[in-house]
Amino acid sequence: DAGVTQSPTHLIKTRGQQVTLRCSPKSGHDTVSWYQQALGQGPQFIFQYYEEEERQRGNFPDRFSGHQFPNYSSELNVNALLLGDSALYLCASSTRDRVRNEQFFGPGTRLTVL
Amino acid sequence: AQSVTQLGSHVSVSEGALVLLRCNYSSSVPPYLFWYVQYPNQGLQLLLKYTSAATLVKGINGFEAEFKKSETSFHLTKPSAHMSDAAEYFCAVSRNTGGFKTIFGAGTRLFVKA
Repeated sequence: DAGVTQSPTHLIKTRGQQVTLRCSPKSGHDTVSWYQQALGQGPQFIFQYYEEEERQRGNFPDRFSGHQFPNYSSELNVNALLLGDSALYLCASSTRDRVRNEQFFGPGTRLTVL
Repeated sequence: AQSVTQLGSHVSVSEGALVLLRCNYSSSVPPYLFWYVQYPNQGLQLLLKYTSAATLVKGINGFEAEFKKSETSFHLTKPSAHMSDAAEYFCAVSRNTGGFKTIFGAGTRLFVKA
C-alpha cells in the first residue's frame, strides 16, 4: 500500500499564476481533505471532498478550488497566486467508516510563490 | 467552534528526561483529540488519538496522553526522551476521527540534547 501520495513534491510559481496540486488517497479511502501549512504554523483546513463534491470548507477565498475524480483522487487549484500562498500543502485521506476511520497524511507539496 | 492552544512553541529536554508537551482545547461538542508528529520535510504521522473510550491514551514510540475534561487539556508525555524524538508536534481537535475537518494547534518544536 503506497499510502497517500502527492505530486509534485516542490513547485515554484510567480504571483498571479495558477497552480494545480494532485493527491491520490490511501487504498480503501474515499474522502480527501486539503490543508495549508505556512512556515512555522500548524496546518489549516482548506476543504474536504467526498463523492466528488465539496462537503466542508475552511476560511479560504474562492481562489482555492478543488475537484475529486471517480477514482477518489483529488486536485487542489489556486488561482491568482499571492506571495502569502507560499506553504506546504498537505492532503489527507480517510473513510466514512466510524469504527476504523483515521486520517492519513501525504508528504505534502511545497509551493513557493515569487 | 473548536480550537487548540499549544503552550510553548519550543521545548528542550535532555536525552533520557521526561517529555511533556502541553495542549488545551476548546470545543462546543464532545471532542476527538489527536497528537501528530512531523519530521523535517515530511507529512504528519498520527501518534495517538482520544475517542472517549479511555482517558489515558497510549500511542506509538512510547508516547501517551491523558484527557482531562475538567482542565480541557490533553498533554502529551514520554517518560524518557530519545534523540529520534526531535521533531514538531501538533495537537489537534475534531468532531470525529476522520470524516470531519481537523483543527490544529500552532505546534511545539521538541529539541533533545545529548
